[in-house]
Amino acid sequence: DTEVTQTPKHLVMGMTNKKSLKCEQHMGHRAMYWYKQKAKKPPELMFVYSYEKLSINESVPSRFSPECPNSSLLNLHLHALQPEDSALYLCASSQGTGPITGELFFGEGSRLTVL
Amino acid sequence: GDSVTQMEGPVTLSEEAFLTINCTYTATGYPSLFWYVQYPGEGLQLLLKATKADDKGSNKGFEATYRKETTSFHLEKGSVQVSDSAVYFCARAEGGADGLTFGKGTHLIIQP
Repeated sequence: DTEVTQTPKHLVMGMTNKKSLKCEQHMGHRAMYWYKQKAKKPPELMFVYSYEKLSINESVPSRFSPECPNSSLLNLHLHALQPEDSALYLCASSQGTGPITGELFFGEGSRLTVL
Repeated sequence: GDSVTQMEGPVTLSEEAFLTINCTYTATGYPSLFWYVQYPGEGLQLLLKATKADDKGSNKGFEATYRKETTSFHLEKGSVQVSDSAVYFCARAEGGADGLTFGKGTHLIIQP
C-alpha cells in the first residue's frame, strides 16, 4: 500500500472545465512533487514544493497551477486544458532533497483525459 | 547528453531466463541510485537503491551494484517470472530541488 494518496484515480474533463487533483502524505516529508507521465515514458517533473518554497519547471503551461495548503497536502489545479494534457499525473514526496533523503515515494497516480 | 542512460526495450524473455538491464549515469558529486518499477496502470514503486559506491541493493530477487569506476547500476535477476513484466526506470539523486533524474525506462515482457 502506498503512503501517498491521490484523488481522483480517474478524471475526464472538457477543455473549458476547472478541476483539481489532490495529493496527501502523512510521512512527515518536507518535499512534494507533481510529475506528468505519458505512456511508456519517464515521469516529467512539473512542480516541487520543498520547505515551503515552490520550484517550477518553466516548460509547464500556466493552465496548471499547484497549491500547497499545508506540508502534507499538494493540489494541482487544472483550467482550460488541451487534449495533449491527457496523461497520468503522479504525486510524490521525499524526506528532503539531498542525495539520500531525495528517495521518492509515489502515489498511484491520477489518470486524466481531456476531451 | 542524458544523465541517466538505460537500454530501451522492449526486452522480451522467457520465464526463468536471466535478466540484465543496463544503466549508466553521469554525476558531478556522489549521487544515490535507484531502480523503480511500474506495473501496468499503477504508479512507480521503489524496487531497490544504493547510496554509495560498492553498495548492493536487492529486493524480490533483483540486485544492482553501485559501480563508481564504470558509473553503472545494472539491474539483474537470476530467474524472471511472468509477474515481473513491467517498465523499469533507473534514477539518480544528486540533491537539489529537481528531485530524481530518470532514465527513459525499459519495458520488460516475460513470456510463459
